[in-house]
Amino acid sequence: NAGVTQTPKFQVLKTGQSMTLQCAQDMNHNSMYWYRQDPGMGLRLIYYSASEGTTDKGEVPNGYNVSRLNKREFSLRLESAAPSQTSVYFCASSANYADGGLQFFGPGTRLTVL
Amino acid sequence: DAKTTQPTSMDCAEGRAANLPCNHSTISGNEYVYWYRQIHSQGPQYIIHGLKNNETNEMASLIITEDRKSSTLILPHATLRDTAVYYCIVSSYSGAGSYQLTFGKGTKLSVIP
Repeated sequence: NAGVTQTPKFQVLKTGQSMTLQCAQDMNHNSMYWYRQDPGMGLRLIYYSASEGTTDKGEVPNGYNVSRLNKREFSLRLESAAPSQTSVYFCASSANYADGGLQFFGPGTRLTVL
Repeated sequence: DAKTTQPTSMDCAEGRAANLPCNHSTISGNEYVYWYRQIHSQGPQYIIHGLKNNETNEMASLIITEDRKSSTLILPHATLRDTAVYYCIVSSYSGAGSYQLTFGKGTKLSVIP
């Protein structure tokens, strides 16, 4: 099993450009999450999907949109990138929302917005 | 969710036990204590969790005080590969809303050869 995979690994954008970060898991998990981690800081939740077909805002959702494409895939979209969105983005999954404390994380996408 | 307090950094000699403390004095009855670690810039890795009783798995042991206001993560024989930032998190499933793992700044553990 690959676990949680994320693409791309690195990305550089110019202010105003858009992009979609992809995340997939092969553990048959119901719940998926997107976090961002700024330098020297802990992770902050952007959006989550408790189950296929549902999405909800986390702590820092402004400037982002998400799509739960199917049970395996959960994408994060930046419509108009800003320098403040320079960060490392982690996707995670958990078996169920009630087991949401036990999350499995992907390797991250390092995004720089110039 | 309750807040946690951890030391900023700790050193441990290779082969010795690493004991990482965490204070969570405002923890409520249904909140679990979770430990994760982040090696370099990789994604966080789940280590262990517990509610009241002490727990042990292949990676570590978790000791929770009787009043549940603090806990200690024990890595029994630290290796250089255990050098990482360790996060202590308290959280619970409320039945509605965000099940958020709040990652603070954690403890930077350096295992010294």
